[in-house]
Amino acid sequence: EDQVTQSPEALRLQEGESSSLNCSYTVSGLRGLFWYRQDPGKGPEFLFTLYSAGEEKEKERLKATLTKKESFLHITAPKPEDSATYLCAVQLQGNLIFGKGTKLSVKP
Amino acid sequence: NAGVTQTPKFRILKIGQSMTLQCAQDMNHNYMYWYRQDPGMGLKLIYYSVGAGITDKGEVPNGYNVSRSTTEDFPLRLELAAPSQTSVYFCASSPHGANYGYTFGSGTRLTVV
Repeated sequence: EDQVTQSPEALRLQEGESSSLNCSYTVSGLRGLFWYRQDPGKGPEFLFTLYSAGEEKEKERLKATLTKKESFLHITAPKPEDSATYLCAVQLQGNLIFGKGTKLSVKP
Repeated sequence: NAGVTQTPKFRILKIGQSMTLQCAQDMNHNYMYWYRQDPGMGLKLIYYSVGAGITDKGEVPNGYNVSRSTTEDFPLRLELAAPSQTSVYFCASSPHGANYGYTFGSGTRLTVV
Protein backbone atom coordinates (compact mmCIF):
# COMPACT_ATOMS: atom_id res chain seq x y z
CA GLU A 1 0.00 0.00 0.00
CA ASP A 2 1.51 3.28 -1.14
CA GLN A 3 1.77 5.79 1.65
CA VAL A 4 2.99 8.61 -0.57
CA THR A 5 1.54 9.17 -4.04
CA GLN A 6 2.74 11.86 -6.39
CA SER A 7 0.96 13.16 -9.47
CA PRO A 8 1.39 13.65 -12.29
CA GLU A 9 4.27 11.28 -13.06
CA ALA A 10 5.54 13.75 -15.66
CA LEU A 11 4.73 17.35 -16.46
CA ARG A 12 5.84 19.39 -19.44
CA LEU A 13 5.53 23.16 -19.25
CA GLN A 14 6.48 26.10 -21.38
CA GLU A 15 8.74 28.65 -19.78
CA GLY A 16 6.56 31.00 -17.74
CA GLU A 17 3.61 28.58 -17.53
CA SER A 18 2.77 28.17 -13.83
CA SER A 19 1.51 24.85 -12.46
CA SER A 20 1.36 22.61 -9.39
CA LEU A 21 2.63 19.18 -8.40
CA ASN A 22 0.63 17.07 -5.98
CA CYS A 23 1.71 14.77 -3.15
CA SER A 24 -0.96 12.85 -1.25
CA TYR A 25 -0.22 10.74 1.80
CA THR A 26 -2.01 8.19 3.95
CA VAL A 27 0.15 8.02 7.07
CA SER A 28 -1.58 8.96 10.29
CA GLY A 29 -0.06 11.45 12.67
CA LEU A 30 2.10 13.26 10.13
CA ARG A 31 5.39 14.30 11.67
CA GLY A 32 6.74 16.11 8.64
CA LEU A 33 6.37 16.29 4.87
CA PHE A 34 9.47 16.94 2.79
CA TRP A 35 10.17 18.08 -0.75
CA TYR A 36 13.39 17.30 -2.59
CA ARG A 37 14.67 18.12 -6.06
CA GLN A 38 16.68 15.56 -8.02
CA ASP A 39 18.66 16.37 -11.15
CA PRO A 40 19.64 13.54 -13.55
CA GLY A 41 22.60 11.53 -12.30
CA LYS A 42 22.64 13.28 -8.92
CA GLY A 43 21.34 12.74 -5.43
CA PRO A 44 18.20 14.49 -4.16
CA GLU A 45 18.59 18.01 -2.82
CA PHE A 46 16.51 19.12 0.16
CA LEU A 47 13.99 21.92 -0.51
CA PHE A 48 11.35 22.20 2.24
CA THR A 49 9.91 20.66 5.38
CA LEU A 50 6.24 21.24 6.29
CA TYR A 51 4.81 20.17 9.63
CA SER A 52 1.19 21.25 9.94
CA ALA A 53 -1.86 21.91 7.78
CA GLY A 54 -1.90 25.46 6.49
CA GLU A 55 1.84 25.85 6.57
CA GLU A 56 3.59 27.31 3.52
CA LYS A 57 7.25 27.59 2.54
CA GLU A 58 8.76 29.48 -0.40
CA LYS A 59 12.05 29.41 -2.26
CA GLU A 60 12.50 31.45 -5.43
CA ARG A 61 9.78 30.26 -7.86
CA LEU A 62 8.68 27.37 -5.64
CA LYS A 63 6.02 27.40 -2.94
CA ALA A 64 5.04 24.33 -0.95
CA THR A 65 1.72 24.09 0.89
CA LEU A 66 0.24 21.43 3.17
CA THR A 67 -3.28 20.24 3.97
CA LYS A 68 -4.37 17.33 6.14
CA LYS A 69 -4.11 14.86 3.26
CA GLU A 70 -1.85 16.36 0.63
CA SER A 71 0.83 18.83 -0.27
CA PHE A 72 1.25 20.95 -3.34
CA LEU A 73 4.43 22.29 -4.88
CA HIS A 74 3.48 25.38 -6.84
CA ILE A 75 5.87 26.54 -9.53
CA THR A 76 5.41 30.14 -10.63
CA ALA A 77 6.73 31.30 -14.01
CA PRO A 78 9.13 28.34 -14.31
CA LYS A 79 12.43 28.53 -16.16
CA PRO A 80 14.26 25.72 -17.99
CA GLU A 81 16.63 25.38 -15.04
CA ASP A 82 13.67 24.26 -12.91
CA SER A 83 13.57 21.04 -14.94
CA ALA A 84 14.16 18.13 -12.55
CA THR A 85 12.37 15.35 -10.72
CA TYR A 86 10.62 16.56 -7.58
CA LEU A 87 10.32 14.06 -4.76
CA CYS A 88 7.92 14.16 -1.85
CA ALA A 89 8.52 12.22 1.38
CA VAL A 90 6.79 11.76 4.73
CA GLN A 91 8.37 10.91 8.04
CA LEU A 92 7.44 7.49 9.42
CA GLN A 93 9.01 6.07 12.57
CA GLY A 94 11.88 8.51 12.30
CA ASN A 95 12.72 7.75 8.68
CA LEU A 96 11.53 9.09 5.35
CA ILE A 97 9.15 7.29 2.98
CA PHE A 98 9.53 8.69 -0.54
CA GLY A 99 7.05 8.95 -3.39
CA LYS A 100 8.03 8.03 -6.95
CA GLY A 101 8.45 11.65 -7.98
CA THR A 102 7.19 14.01 -10.66
CA LYS A 103 9.49 14.65 -13.59
CA LEU A 104 9.17 18.28 -14.61
CA SER A 105 10.38 19.54 -17.99
CA VAL A 106 10.31 23.25 -18.77
CA LYS A 107 10.81 24.17 -22.40
CA PRO A 108 12.12 27.61 -23.46
CA ASN B 1 33.45 21.19 2.09
CA ALA B 2 32.82 17.88 0.31
CA GLY B 3 29.51 16.92 2.00
CA VAL B 4 28.68 13.25 1.33
CA THR B 5 31.13 11.36 -0.87
CA GLN B 6 30.28 8.01 -2.45
CA THR B 7 32.65 5.68 -4.25
CA PRO B 8 32.68 4.16 -6.76
CA LYS B 9 30.33 6.04 -9.10
CA PHE B 10 29.78 3.02 -11.34
CA ARG B 11 30.37 -0.70 -10.93
CA ILE B 12 29.52 -3.89 -12.78
CA LEU B 13 29.44 -7.06 -10.72
CA LYS B 14 28.98 -10.66 -11.70
CA ILE B 15 26.33 -12.75 -9.95
CA GLY B 16 27.73 -14.10 -6.69
CA GLN B 17 30.49 -11.51 -6.32
CA SER B 18 30.72 -9.23 -3.31
CA MET B 19 31.61 -5.59 -2.94
CA THR B 20 31.53 -2.65 -0.57
CA LEU B 21 30.03 0.70 -1.45
CA GLN B 22 31.82 3.47 0.38
CA CYS B 23 30.18 6.52 1.96
CA ALA B 24 31.92 9.28 3.87
CA GLN B 25 30.66 12.61 5.22
CA ASP B 26 32.65 15.50 6.63
CA MET B 27 29.81 17.42 8.32
CA ASN B 28 29.98 15.58 11.66
CA HIS B 29 26.42 14.32 11.14
CA ASN B 30 25.20 11.65 13.54
CA TYR B 31 22.58 10.14 11.24
CA MET B 32 23.46 8.28 8.06
CA TYR B 33 21.33 6.32 5.61
CA TRP B 34 21.54 4.01 2.63
CA TYR B 35 18.80 4.11 -0.01
CA ARG B 36 18.34 2.34 -3.32
CA GLN B 37 16.48 3.88 -6.24
CA ASP B 38 15.05 1.73 -9.02
CA PRO B 39 13.62 3.18 -12.25
CA GLY B 40 10.09 4.48 -11.71
CA MET B 41 10.20 3.67 -8.00
CA GLY B 42 10.66 5.75 -4.92
CA LEU B 43 13.79 5.67 -2.81
CA LYS B 44 13.77 2.63 -0.52
CA LEU B 45 15.63 2.65 2.80
CA ILE B 46 18.11 -0.21 3.18
CA TYR B 47 19.88 0.55 6.48
CA TYR B 48 20.42 3.53 8.71
CA SER B 49 22.59 4.57 11.64
CA VAL B 50 21.96 7.10 14.39
CA GLY B 51 25.59 7.20 15.50
CA ALA B 52 28.88 5.34 15.57
CA GLY B 53 28.37 1.73 16.61
CA ILE B 54 24.60 1.80 16.05
CA THR B 55 22.87 0.48 12.93
CA ASP B 56 19.35 -0.67 12.12
CA LYS B 57 17.43 -2.21 9.25
CA GLY B 58 15.25 -0.21 6.93
CA GLU B 59 12.57 -1.35 4.51
CA VAL B 60 14.72 -3.56 2.20
CA PRO B 61 17.78 -4.87 4.14
CA ASN B 62 18.01 -8.41 2.71
CA GLY B 63 21.28 -9.08 0.90
CA TYR B 64 23.08 -6.14 2.49
CA ASN B 65 25.14 -5.39 5.58
CA VAL B 66 26.47 -2.21 7.12
CA SER B 67 28.85 -1.07 9.81
CA ARG B 68 29.45 2.27 11.50
CA SER B 69 32.79 2.30 13.27
CA THR B 70 33.28 6.08 12.94
CA THR B 71 31.00 9.09 12.65
CA GLU B 72 32.34 9.83 9.15
CA ASP B 73 32.03 6.47 7.40
CA PHE B 74 29.07 4.21 6.65
CA PRO B 75 29.99 1.45 4.17
CA LEU B 76 27.37 -0.82 2.59
CA ARG B 77 28.37 -4.42 1.92
CA LEU B 78 26.77 -6.57 -0.76
CA GLU B 79 27.34 -10.28 -0.31
CA LEU B 80 26.58 -12.74 -3.14
CA ALA B 81 25.34 -10.12 -5.61
CA ALA B 82 22.09 -10.87 -7.46
CA PRO B 83 20.49 -9.19 -10.52
CA SER B 84 17.76 -7.84 -8.22
CA GLN B 85 20.42 -5.65 -6.61
CA THR B 86 20.96 -3.75 -9.84
CA SER B 87 20.08 -0.22 -8.81
CA VAL B 88 21.38 3.22 -7.99
CA TYR B 89 22.49 3.47 -4.37
CA PHE B 90 22.43 6.73 -2.44
CA CYS B 91 24.01 7.49 0.88
CA ALA B 92 22.66 10.39 2.94
CA SER B 93 23.39 12.08 6.24
CA SER B 94 21.60 14.38 8.64
CA PRO B 95 22.64 16.14 11.84
CA HIS B 96 19.65 15.09 13.94
CA GLY B 97 17.32 13.02 11.80
CA ALA B 98 14.69 13.53 9.11
CA ASN B 99 13.37 16.89 10.30
CA TYR B 100 16.63 18.63 9.45
CA GLY B 101 16.73 17.43 5.85
CA TYR B 102 19.08 14.90 4.38
CA THR B 103 22.27 15.65 2.44
CA PHE B 104 22.65 13.04 -0.27
CA GLY B 105 25.71 11.82 -2.07
CA SER B 106 25.81 11.62 -5.86
CA GLY B 107 25.12 7.89 -5.95
CA THR B 108 26.66 4.61 -7.09
CA ARG B 109 25.18 2.97 -10.16
CA LEU B 110 25.52 -0.81 -9.74
CA THR B 111 24.78 -3.41 -12.39
CA VAL B 112 24.79 -7.12 -11.57
CA VAL B 113 25.12 -9.39 -14.59
